Parts: sequence; C-alpha cells; structure tokens
Amino acid sequence: GESVGLHLPTLSVQEGDNSIINCAYSNSASDYFIWYKQESGKGPQFIIDIRSNMDKRQGQRVTVLLNKTVKHLSLQIAATQPGDSAVYFCAENIPGGSEKLVFGKGMKLTVNP
Amino acid sequence: SAVISQKPSRDICQRGTSLTIQCQVDSQVTMMFWYRQQPGQSLTLIATANQGSEATYESGFVIDKFPISRPNLTFSTLTVSNMSPEDSSIYLCSVDDSRDTQYFGPGTRLTVL
Repeated sequence: GESVGLHLPTLSVQEGDNSIINCAYSNSASDYFIWYKQESGKGPQFIIDIRSNMDKRQGQRVTVLLNKTVKHLSLQIAATQPGDSAVYFCAENIPGGSEKLVFGKGMKLTVNP
Repeated sequence: SAVISQKPSRDICQRGTSLTIQCQVDSQVTMMFWYRQQPGQSLTLIATANQGSEATYESGFVIDKFPISRPNLTFSTLTVSNMSPEDSSIYLCSVDDSRDTQYFGPGTRLTVL
C-alpha cells in the first residue's frame, strides 16, 4: 500500500550541529517530494521540495537528498539553530487524478542551546 | 506563496454539535484541500474541495460527517458534524500552487467535550 514513514521519531542535537532527518517512501510512482516544518501551534510550513528527476537540491541551510533506488528521502539542516526546533514531515505526491500528498509520521527535532 | 487564513483558530465544542471552519485564500487557486491532524499525529487528507462540484473524499471520510463547500476560487468551508471527542484534532486547509506544492493555513484547533 501507499505509505510514507520516518526512521526516527525524535532527534535532539546541539546548536551548531548538522541535523539529518530521514524518510522512507513506498510508492515508486511518486514523482514529487516535499519537506514541511511544523512549529507548535502552527500549520506546516514548506521548507524544500524535490522532483524525481533530481537526486539533490539545496536551499538556505537545507539540502534534500532523494535516493529512488531505495526509496529514501533525507533532509539535512546545516548549523542547526534553536529556531529549527519543530516537527518535520516528509510528503510524497502520488501522480494521477487529484495530485494528493501522503504525509509521513513526523519527526520532532529539538535543538539544545 | 498564497496567504491562507482560517476561522476560527480554535474552538471548544459540545458533543453532538457541529462546527463550520472557514478557509480564505488571498488569490484564486484551483485546488484546495482539507486535512485532519489528530493529537501527536501526522496529517491525513479528508477531501479535495472542488470549485463548482462536490468534494472528493478520501477513504474513511464521508460527506455526511464532513460536508465541504467551495463556492469560489478563494474560499472553502469544512463542517464537522455531530461531533464526538474523537473529532478533537487540528483541521488544516491547504492550496496547491499549480506546481503540486501545497501551502497550509494556520489550522483550527478543535476540542470536543
């Protein structure tokens, strides 16, 4: 069936460290992936996306890596800051029809000062 | 990206009553979606709100419980009908930017007593 899951439910890092959040997806037809950040009391905020014709995409302090062979997605955050503390979700777009997103379980990142 | 607002931001309701949640976007969008996020959980798509036609519901969600309106390209409502404590969740609307990326509103935090 369709599912998107995360390997780690919680991650605690020190300020300034690099963080890596992993995600596994099961639908090989998925062609688009998004990482969202959700702070307490807020809606999910778009961080970065990647399409299936790419294997790496960089933003400001964030990098997304896509490995289609093993259906794995990761989000790397450089020089993690306390403001990065949030729950992070990966989502995959399943093509055809309604273009809906399927979300992973979420991983809570805590950055210690 | 579009600016999305939701009303109310939170509510506490009695069992058996209904609540209508509004979602307003500052620009015309084709696709609008409604999600549920149960406490400590990920996001689950309830339905796609189609302008000028009936919403498309995901498995496990029915129109009688979650009627949706989409009168124009900037507005949608979701009603949670005959509520029970199990309906306590965050309800989120999102819009698609025509490139498959979805942006979310701030959410409506519903508690049913």
